[in-house]
Amino acid sequence: AQTVTQSQPEMSVQEAETVTLSCTYDTSESDYYLFWYKQPPSRQMILVIRQEAYKQQNATENRFSVNFQKAAKSFSLKISDSQLGDAAMYFCAYLNYGGSQGNLIFGKGTKLSVKP
Amino acid sequence: DVKVTQSSRYLVKRTGEKVFLECVQDMDHENMFWYRQDPGLGLRLIYFSYDVKMKEKGDIPEGYSVSREKKERFSLILESASTNQTSMYLCASSLIPSGGATQYFGPGTRLLVL
Repeated sequence: AQTVTQSQPEMSVQEAETVTLSCTYDTSESDYYLFWYKQPPSRQMILVIRQEAYKQQNATENRFSVNFQKAAKSFSLKISDSQLGDAAMYFCAYLNYGGSQGNLIFGKGTKLSVKP
Repeated sequence: DVKVTQSSRYLVKRTGEKVFLECVQDMDHENMFWYRQDPGLGLRLIYFSYDVKMKEKGDIPEGYSVSREKKERFSLILESASTNQTSMYLCASSLIPSGGATQYFGPGTRLLVL
């Protein structure tokens, strides 16, 4: 069974600085997808970024980028120029490509605080 | 934009009551999911559905059932609520069963069982 591990329960960053959130996963599959979701306090969970395992190039979305290391099964999220609105729970998630189940496997989350 | 709505943001029920949580999506997605979110445990899948009247158990289905009579609506049912079902419940939908389809989440229902 696949597992996703986020080793940092809480992180803190100064506004305008850069922070990296860690995620490792375990799978025997070669084709899969990885996601970072953001859940602000009392607000809806939204997709931040996603990565297809077959792509070597790391995904980027504005200030958010990932460092995808397939061999190491590592998928970290880098947030540049941190803003107060980035404060949230961040969840790393894994999805098998193909198969009958489409459910995401989530890590336990990292709570990010942004200091003004 | 995809919109996933849940019938209640907050709900307080008594032990033994039958509880219905409703979820509606407006993007004609085939797949719908119910997750439970607890501090320190992340999100855990309760049930999902890949078509009308179809359902599959997730990781923690005990004490729950689901209903999907229409494509846009997926209901989670607590047959006899217990205090250990106090939690945040999140509904999600996606376009295809796999292949990297992004899941879109509702705002969540925070359920308190007394």
